[in-house]
Amino acid sequence: IVLTQSPGTLSLSPGQRATLSCRASQSVSSNYLAWYQQKPGQAPRLLIYGASSRATGIPDRFSGSGSGTDFTLTISGLEPEDFAVYYCQQYGSLITFGQGTRLEIK
Amino acid sequence: EVQLLESGGGLVQPGGSLRLSCAASGFSFSSYVMNWVRQAPGKGLEWVAGISGTIPTTYYAASVKGRFTVSRDNSKNTLYLEMNRLRAADTAIYYCAKDAQEMRLLLLFDNWGQGTLVTVSS
Repeated sequence: IVLTQSPGTLSLSPGQRATLSCRASQSVSSNYLAWYQQKPGQAPRLLIYGASSRATGIPDRFSGSGSGTDFTLTISGLEPEDFAVYYCQQYGSLITFGQGTRLEIK
Repeated sequence: EVQLLESGGGLVQPGGSLRLSCAASGFSFSSYVMNWVRQAPGKGLEWVAGISGTIPTTYYAASVKGRFTVSRDNSKNTLYLEMNRLRAADTAIYYCAKDAQEMRLLLLFDNWGQGTLVTVSS
């Protein structure tokens, strides 16, 4: 399964809403779709699993939605610490990562 | 608190070998599938290998199968990655990552180490 993330780069200001897309080349089994956040020099951090469940300790401004082949990560009310690279990953059929979306400060 | 600490990275010549280690603490190590995920400089994430808990079964990405060997020592709470016939394309930060569900290969990673850099160059 190939995952395509869009846009490649998203420029927004703190307080705005971010919408990141992840499209799969075929249906993701059981909606086993996760989102990770990675900041420079750090390891990725799990944000969302099962398309819409927040991982432990993740603020509720992060939400995931979608099913089948189209998935979305929404960050409502961007905080300065949210500017990072975001990866989607499917784990329903072996494993694939998307190429990432860079969320930068406008 | 789950902690994963990788070591063993460094500079190695093409065709050479290297062994990475990941020391784990803060959870029941033998109950979880453990994985290696790598990230080439400035690039995205690539799962490399995984190993199940008590009766180890191993899993590999096609890009490393036959060259890399993943293993674990549950008595030492340590995960290993033996890398042979290294290529320039293997240059990356190698992360140790814990599977999220006990006793099952899910390939969902809820905890990551900070990574160790492997550079393959002459």
